Amino acid sequence: GIQVEQSPPDLILQEGANSTLRCNFSDSVNNLQWFHQNPWGQLINLFYIPSGTKQNGRLSATTVATERYSLLYISSSQTTDSGVYFCAADHGSGNTGKLIFGQGTTLQVKP
Amino acid sequence: DSGVTQTPKHLITATGQRVTLRCSPRSGDLSVYWYQQSLDQGLQFLIQYYNGEERAKGNILERFSAQQFPDLHSELNLSSLELGDSALYFCASSGAANTEAFFGQGTRLTVV
Repeated sequence: GIQVEQSPPDLILQEGANSTLRCNFSDSVNNLQWFHQNPWGQLINLFYIPSGTKQNGRLSATTVATERYSLLYISSSQTTDSGVYFCAADHGSGNTGKLIFGQGTTLQVKP
Repeated sequence: DSGVTQTPKHLITATGQRVTLRCSPRSGDLSVYWYQQSLDQGLQFLIQYYNGEERAKGNILERFSAQQFPDLHSELNLSSLELGDSALYFCASSGAANTEAFFGQGTRLTVV
């Protein structure tokens, strides 16, 4: 099945800094999503982005499907951005929609 | 609020017991997915139902089973529980395949 790899595994930033998180996937995808898991364990949808670029406030994401990677940009980071960021992909075989998750990037933003 | 409701939020039970986790999908979503998040395995897909029928199966143990009812809510049954089953169990829902999936708040299961 499809493999999803995220980097870096851990990231520590000072408040106000910018960062880029990367997600590589091993096969073509029909669905690519980014999530933020907050300290209470909730998985918050950030982007549904199988291709192209989207922006939402201080966050933006780009997926280059032909090169099998996606990037999540966080600008002017805040302490509330802390948590784990997951990338998840659906290869599309069997037309199920099941997501394969990467191992996550743990982000700590220090005041 | 994702619109996906899971109950209970927390569950503590003893080894060997059986528990049932419940999920109500977003209004109009026909697909329900169950995922398990454990420290050593990360977030793993367990099983999917679409409009009452099993659609896909992942790394789900034989001791675990699920079903989706006519009103589209789903239940995940975990039996003969072991310490290693302690994890956060998520339910997600989506409309069709290849559309955005939304996750519930999860059920944190602790087996003692």
